[in-house]
Amino acid sequence: AQSVTQPDIHITVSEGASLELRCNYSYGATPYLFWYVQSPGQGLQLLLKYFSGDTLVQGIKGFEAEFKRSQSSFNLRKPSVHWSDAAEYFCAVGARDNAGNMLTFGGGTRLMVKP
Amino acid sequence: DTGVSQNPRHKITKRGQNVTFRCDPISEHNRLYWYRQTLGQGPEFLTYFQNEAQLEKSRLLSDRFSAERPKGSFSTLEIQRTEQGDSAMYLCASSLSATRQPQHFGDGTRLSIL
Repeated sequence: AQSVTQPDIHITVSEGASLELRCNYSYGATPYLFWYVQSPGQGLQLLLKYFSGDTLVQGIKGFEAEFKRSQSSFNLRKPSVHWSDAAEYFCAVGARDNAGNMLTFGGGTRLMVKP
Repeated sequence: DTGVSQNPRHKITKRGQNVTFRCDPISEHNRLYWYRQTLGQGPEFLTYFQNEAQLEKSRLLSDRFSAERPKGSFSTLEIQRTEQGDSAMYLCASSLSATRQPQHFGDGTRLSIL
């Protein structure tokens, strides 16, 4: 069974600073990988996804993530954080061998942005 | 694209009552998923449908929970004899059935058990 670990429960960065949110997964092969963002009381919005190919993927809102097979990681990055980026971020893995591709989520990282 | 719609947004009920939530997926999506999210946690998979067929159920889905998608369009999730531990956000997502199709989430129904 797959699992996802997001080691940082909370992260605070200053507006304009760079950001990296960590995600480690456990899966027997190369999984499908996703990052979602959730604002309070809202559903999840897809930021980016990795299925195959180029290991650096670009997403919406200036986010990118890099798949590193050797480290079983899929860290999310943004070069300059905006106050509107404050939210909860979830990394998720979907199994390639499961036709339904139900997702397994990490526990989330809450991002706070200082002015 | 009108997005995934969930109703109601909030539901407050007394322990022991039955509740039903509705999810309307994106119109052309034939896969529909239910997840549960408790406070401070990531969503946990409950069940999914391919058209009207329920193809997978998590062990989290106890006998008190039942989900339907009678015509392959909207879905309902019913919880019977609610318990305190059922308090959570219930999220619905939908996707196309082809591979490499991401799931699109609704805003969820927050259930509070008094």
